[in-house]
Amino acid sequence: GAGVSQSPSNKVTEKGKDVELRCDPISGHTALYWYRQRLGQGLEFLIYFQGNSAPDKSGLPSDRFSAERTGESVSTLTIQRTQQEDSAVYLCASTFKAGGELFFGEGSRLTVL
Amino acid sequence: AQSVTQLGSHVSVSEGALVLLRCNYSSSVPPYLFWYVQYPNQGLQLLLKYTSAATLVKGINGFEAEFKKSETSFHLTKPSAHMSDAAEYFCAVSEGSGTYKYIFGTGTRLKVLA
Repeated sequence: GAGVSQSPSNKVTEKGKDVELRCDPISGHTALYWYRQRLGQGLEFLIYFQGNSAPDKSGLPSDRFSAERTGESVSTLTIQRTQQEDSAVYLCASTFKAGGELFFGEGSRLTVL
Repeated sequence: AQSVTQLGSHVSVSEGALVLLRCNYSSSVPPYLFWYVQYPNQGLQLLLKYTSAATLVKGINGFEAEFKKSETSFHLTKPSAHMSDAAEYFCAVSEGSGTYKYIFGTGTRLKVLA
């Protein structure tokens, strides 16, 4: 597709359940990012992938959060044993060069009941 | 370490008035600086960016920003606000072309009054 695609757009889950969020970046973009945006707050960096380098996981808030990316394609962000404080919009972005423009998806809104 | 501070989480201006959204940064190397806009229920889109060329950068929708190294600032301005400018605005910094890490500010929500 022409842009960054994220799914699902909305997810409602019960506390304690696992969720998977998917991001399909723009073709050819070597770098992929996950950010979390809580209601009324800014973007919180979670993780980024760059080519075949080891991902920068420094923003993951706990070991319940993990992410994978196969090559330069789709990425999945997994949250295990969800908590209410995980409720947020999870934004994915990609870029083709360091320091270049980030292209964002429309986000996955997660609500944990 | 890089950081970004946006002063004012909410700013209100009258339609036709000057828009000024403030951003200060901290970086150990010459930075790249960005302003993004987020409309309701949408992702972020780039307004403009500074990458060490001209210090006055013009972007889309009539916005511009000036890089001031001495003040470590990159404030966003628009001479005349339109109702359609109501959105959330984010300033971001990266440490130039050698890094893939971007740090975002906490955002400023702009309200335009009729």
